[in-house]
Amino acid sequence: SQTIHQWPATLVQPVGSPLSLECTVEGTSNPNLYWYRQAAGRGLQLLFYSVGIGQISSEVPQNLSASRPQDRQFILSSKKLLLSDSGFYLCAWSVGQGKETQYFGPGTRLLVL
Amino acid sequence: LAKTTQPISMDSYEGQEVNITCSHNNIATNDYITWYQQFPSQGPRFIIQGYKTKVTNEVASLFIPADRKSSTLSLPRVSLSDTAVYYCLVGSISGGYQKVTFGTGTKLQVIP
Repeated sequence: SQTIHQWPATLVQPVGSPLSLECTVEGTSNPNLYWYRQAAGRGLQLLFYSVGIGQISSEVPQNLSASRPQDRQFILSSKKLLLSDSGFYLCAWSVGQGKETQYFGPGTRLLVL
Repeated sequence: LAKTTQPISMDSYEGQEVNITCSHNNIATNDYITWYQQFPSQGPRFIIQGYKTKVTNEVASLFIPADRKSSTLSLPRVSLSDTAVYYCLVGSISGGYQKVTFGTGTKLQVIP
């Protein structure tokens, strides 16, 4: 069966510090991968998606970046965090085309102080 | 991407049927409609998906009229554990895969 992991589960970082969040998927090959952010009490905002290794598309211009060094690994990074980067970060995967379902990881709660 | 509009919140008593309607006036021909459920501090969980007419599974039913400009998620006999945020999504195909947009969702509060 397929599983998706995210770490860390929670993170408290000072403004201006770097960030690296990791997401890995097991039990599937060549998944589509997604990074979302959810601010407190808000809906999910798609940040990045990837259809393959090294293929990243950005949805919202910001100080975050994403990379996909391996087929089932997706990394969200920042060189300098802003207060507005605080939120709940979710990684998701899907396979196929058209009507495939997205499966979400447990999320990382980031607090920037 | 088709934009969706849902009520911000709804209250319901335990045991009642709950219907949450979503508007998606600009839905494209190839778009599917998907509903997710999210509990606090967890990732969203797939509930049901459909293209037209009616779809039913062990959890919910999804009603989609012929013009597909709206859809209604129906939860039969809700319990306290159904208290969650429900998202309606309309997916479009871009680059060979589905890219969806999450709206703000509907916060359902089930009352004992």
